[in-house]
Amino acid sequence: AQSVTQLDSQVPVFEEAPVELRCNYSSSVSVYLFWYVQYPNQGLQLLLKYLSGSTLVESINGFEAEFNKSQTSFHLRKPSVHISDTAEYFCAVSGFGSQGNLIFGKGTKLSVKP
Amino acid sequence: GAGVSQSPSNKVTEKGKDVELRCDPISGHTALYWYRQSLGQGLEFLIYFQGNSAPDKSGLPSDRFSAERTGGSVSTLTIQRTQQEDSAVYLCASSGTSGPYNEQFFGPGTRLTVL
Repeated sequence: AQSVTQLDSQVPVFEEAPVELRCNYSSSVSVYLFWYVQYPNQGLQLLLKYLSGSTLVESINGFEAEFNKSQTSFHLRKPSVHISDTAEYFCAVSGFGSQGNLIFGKGTKLSVKP
Repeated sequence: GAGVSQSPSNKVTEKGKDVELRCDPISGHTALYWYRQSLGQGLEFLIYFQGNSAPDKSGLPSDRFSAERTGGSVSTLTIQRTQQEDSAVYLCASSGTSGPYNEQFFGPGTRLTVL
């Protein structure tokens, strides 16, 4: 069984500041790792994912996440946030050999203020 | 192209009534998932379909919940004798193929309110 913990339910930050959204997981098997984002009044969409290879993965809009197996973490970072990054961010895992059903964390609401 | 669509977008019902929620996946996607997003529980997996194979119902919270997928495409989630704790946003997602590494494309959800 897998579980995902997002320690911060809300993260307020000023525009152009750096941000880190934390994600830790627990699993008895190897996992694939995902970050999904839900912008206000929109559906969930994939931000980035780690499958294998380089432990640092990047999105097209400047976010990056690093898989740390020893710490079972997949924290999401951005060096300089924009107002448009205001959204709820969900960390998720799916287990090797599973049918792909995602186990989600409870989400972190990122609020970027001018 | 068209994304995943769900209907209705909002549903208000009285406790004890049955409801049906519909999902139209992206054309050609063989894998279909239902999730529930509620304030207390976050996002929870409910059920998974792959083509015409028997579904994985392991996430369904009670036997009041059922789902079917006709012709390997449209899916309907049915909740019988609704309870107030069923109030949530029900999300449908589809994926090109099954497997734990594929991107899932989510619909806008159906917000269910049980009075």
